[in-house]
Amino acid sequence: EVQLVESGGGLVQPGGSLRLSCAASGFTFKSYEMNWVRQSPGKGLECVSDISASGSPIHYADSVRGRFTISRDNAKNSLFLQMHSLRAEDTAVYYCARLRLSSYMDVWGKGTTVTVSS
Amino acid sequence: EMVLTQSPATLSVSPGDRATLSCRASQNVRFNLAWYQHKPGQGPRLLISGASTRATGVPARFSGSGSGTEFTLTISSLQSEDLAVYYCQQYNNWITFGQGTRLEIK
Repeated sequence: EVQLVESGGGLVQPGGSLRLSCAASGFTFKSYEMNWVRQSPGKGLECVSDISASGSPIHYADSVRGRFTISRDNAKNSLFLQMHSLRAEDTAVYYCARLRLSSYMDVWGKGTTVTVSS
Repeated sequence: EMVLTQSPATLSVSPGDRATLSCRASQNVRFNLAWYQHKPGQGPRLLISGASTRATGVPARFSGSGSGTEFTLTISSLQSEDLAVYYCQQYNNWITFGQGTRLEIK
């Protein structure tokens, strides 16, 4: 079964850091582009960052560029999102997704919740 | 800046009736548009890519149409399990989503 499972979410203070992980199974992870998409409370979906199968190129949304870093470990079938200088507006459910042809997402995880609050 | 505007924000439809959801792009995205179904506690589910191509396993009652700046998702005969929020997403200029249409069962 093709599956993505996110972990690492939690409560963090403004200015703090958090690292999200996504474990992939059921497909050849190293062959696919991946991305992180978030949904803030009461709002729609926002693509945060994407990464190619090899690890480069990488793209970021303007809202997180310079604060978030996406990476992957193809040997461990894992995707990561390192988040620094977190703000209240980063509070969201973060989804890991498989990206097809740099275009649309055909497999999604169930998400992990990040709450930035003092 | 690419903006996708979905209408209506909320749609209430009786079981067995047709539901029509719209998505308008602020710039020409050609056929580079996808639709997703999102239910609480789950990740979004891909329904349509390329404006009109159903994803694997998606029931035939879901269909997509349009090109350029005007797109439509149609559910031909609404089922109770179709209760969800539906998002359009363009991939002509990186990735952006519409704000969603909440589909309610009347």
